[in-house]
Amino acid sequence: EDQVTQSPEALRLQEGESSSLNCSYTVSGLRGLFWYRQDPGKGPEFLFTLYSAGEEKEKERLKATLTKKESFLHITAPKPEDSATYLCAVSGGYNKLIFGAGTRLAVHP
Amino acid sequence: GAVVSQHPSWVICKSGTSVKIECRSLDFQATTMFWYRQFPKQSLMLMATSNEGSKATYEQGVEKDKFLINHASLTLSTLTVTSAHPEDSSFYICSAKKGATDTQYFGPGTRLTVL
Repeated sequence: EDQVTQSPEALRLQEGESSSLNCSYTVSGLRGLFWYRQDPGKGPEFLFTLYSAGEEKEKERLKATLTKKESFLHITAPKPEDSATYLCAVSGGYNKLIFGAGTRLAVHP
Repeated sequence: GAVVSQHPSWVICKSGTSVKIECRSLDFQATTMFWYRQFPKQSLMLMATSNEGSKATYEQGVEKDKFLINHASLTLSTLTVTSAHPEDSSFYICSAKKGATDTQYFGPGTRLTVL
C-alpha cells in the first residue's frame, strides 16, 4: 500500500537554528514527490516537485532533496515567518496525491 | 503563475440547507480538479476527483449524493453540500492540476459551519 510518513510530528526551533524535516514514502512507480507549506486556516502553498532520486531544489531558505526511499526538507537559518505546517505528498500510477500527516514547525525569535 | 481561488472563504448555514462552493483556476486551464476536506490538526483527505465534462470520481466512504461535484468548464468546479448537517462542518479545499504534471495547486479553502 502506498504510504507517506513524515517526521517529526512537531519541531520547535530557535531563529537561525537550521534543521531538516523527513518524508519517508513507499509507492509503486513514483511519478513525483511534492512539498507544500500550509499556514493555519489557509490552503497548502506549493513549494517543490521532485521527480527522481538525487534531485535537489532550492527556494530561499528551503532545500528539498530526494532519495529512493525518502525526501528531506532542509531549512537553513529559519526565521519566525517560516513557522507553518509542511506537507509532503507523492503521486504514483494514479491521478491523485497521497499526503503525509505533516510536520508543524515553530520558529521562535 | 498558477492561482486557484475559492468562493466563499467561509459560510455558515442552518442544518438541512444546501451550500455551494466554487473553485476557479484563474490563470490556467485545469482538466482535473480535486476536492479535499481537512479537520483540525489533521492532513488533507481527498473527497473526489473532478474531470471537466465527465462525472466525478469519489473516494471510498464519500457519499456522492451528498457532495455533488460539477466541473462544467476548464476553469470552474463546484462542490455542493446537500442537506448539510453539523458533522459536515469542516475546511473544504480544492486544487487543480496544471498541464501534464501531477503538481496540484490549491485554493485558499472554505470554512463551512453548519448550525
